[in-house]
This record gives sequence, structure tokens and C-alpha cells, in this order.
Amino acid sequence: EAEVAQSPRYKITEKSQAVAFWCDPISGHATLYWYRQILGQGPELLVQFQDESVVDDSQLPKDRFSAERLKGVDSTLKIQPAELGDSAMYLCASSLGGQGFYEQYFGPGTRLTVT
Amino acid sequence: DAKTTQPPSMDCAEGRAANLPCNHSTISGNEYVYWYRQIHSQGPQYIIHGLKNNETNEMASLIITEDRKSSTLILPHATLRDTAVYYCIARGGRAGTALIFGKGTTLSVSS
Repeated sequence: EAEVAQSPRYKITEKSQAVAFWCDPISGHATLYWYRQILGQGPELLVQFQDESVVDDSQLPKDRFSAERLKGVDSTLKIQPAELGDSAMYLCASSLGGQGFYEQYFGPGTRLTVT
Repeated sequence: DAKTTQPPSMDCAEGRAANLPCNHSTISGNEYVYWYRQIHSQGPQYIIHGLKNNETNEMASLIITEDRKSSTLILPHATLRDTAVYYCIARGGRAGTALIFGKGTTLSVSS
């Protein structure tokens, strides 16, 4: 069964450093989501792509976070500079897309620890 | 903000039915309710969704009240592997397809 791939699985970085996460969605999935999950809470949407276009980045802290999906396939989420409060699980999900119901498939996540 | 509220935790004996409630009194008449679960250290996994009719699949059943203000996810024969955080979700975001998670219910199944 096809899966969403994410790397790295774990990342420890010092505050003020730059960090990047990578996501490879299921082949053919047009919609890609990045969620952030703080310990003890549910995931929160950071950014949503439809193909290579951003359709929702209203919750993305744009002063330090950036996301791209240049060819409409894999995606990179970057934080620069990292802050202590960025410690969280970063989850990528993909779906076929469109307004009807399409199941979102989640990757295993990248757990970030900022020291 | 999440449009759903759930109890923070529930316990269930292995082999018994687990009934997880959700309140969603503020969702509109055409909004579906979705259930996902998250096993420790994994990404969330889709379980089931519904609008106003009861739904059943190989994983679970979903019972939605007639007034659509609440619903119950039923795992008919819980196993230890069903221990997870269960999220009752409405969609949102600018495109209307993002999942808006609350804190969910931690279900502990014990033998």
C-alpha cells in the first residue's frame, strides 16, 4: 500500500538554526497538507497546497516558516530561525483533492526538538 | 477553532464495545463529521465519516443523532491495538478541506 514519506523522522536543533523537513506524498495526490502537532494537542494546519499552488497558509508564521512544492509533487517545509516554541511533531498528509471527500493519508511525522 | 468537543479520556475492556461520544452542536447542516485516530508516535488514520445517516465500515460504526448535534463512534469489539487518541473532526480552512482537530479522546483498552 502506498504511503506518505517524511524525513527526517527526528531532528534536534539549536535555537536560531535553520531546519528543513521533506515530504513525498502518495503518487497522484494533488493536495498536500502540512500540520503541526504540539504535545498533548491535536494537529493544526500550517499550509495546504493544490498541485504547486498554496491555497491556505493563513496559519503559517511567515516571518520564520516557508513551504514550497515546486513541481507539485514533493514538498519542503523550512524554519529559519528555529525557536524553542517550534518543538513539535510536523505531519504531512496528502489526498486526491477536490471538494468532495477524499481521505487524507498522513505520514509518520518529523519530531523536532529545539534546544 | 475546533467545532467539536470530546471527553479527554475513556477506558474499555478488551472484547467489549467502545462508545466514543462527540458533541458538534455548531456545525452546519451540510457539514460532515469525520473520525480519525492516532496511535502513539504515528500519523492520524482515517476511520469513518458521516452526514446524517448512520454509517458502518470494517473498522467502526458511526451513529449520528437526528438533530446532528452529537455522534458516537462505536468500536464493536475493542482490542489492545485500538488504544489510541480518537478525533472527531469537522473540516475547515480557506479551501474547506483541512481537518480541524480538537484534543480528542484517549481510549485505553485493557485486558
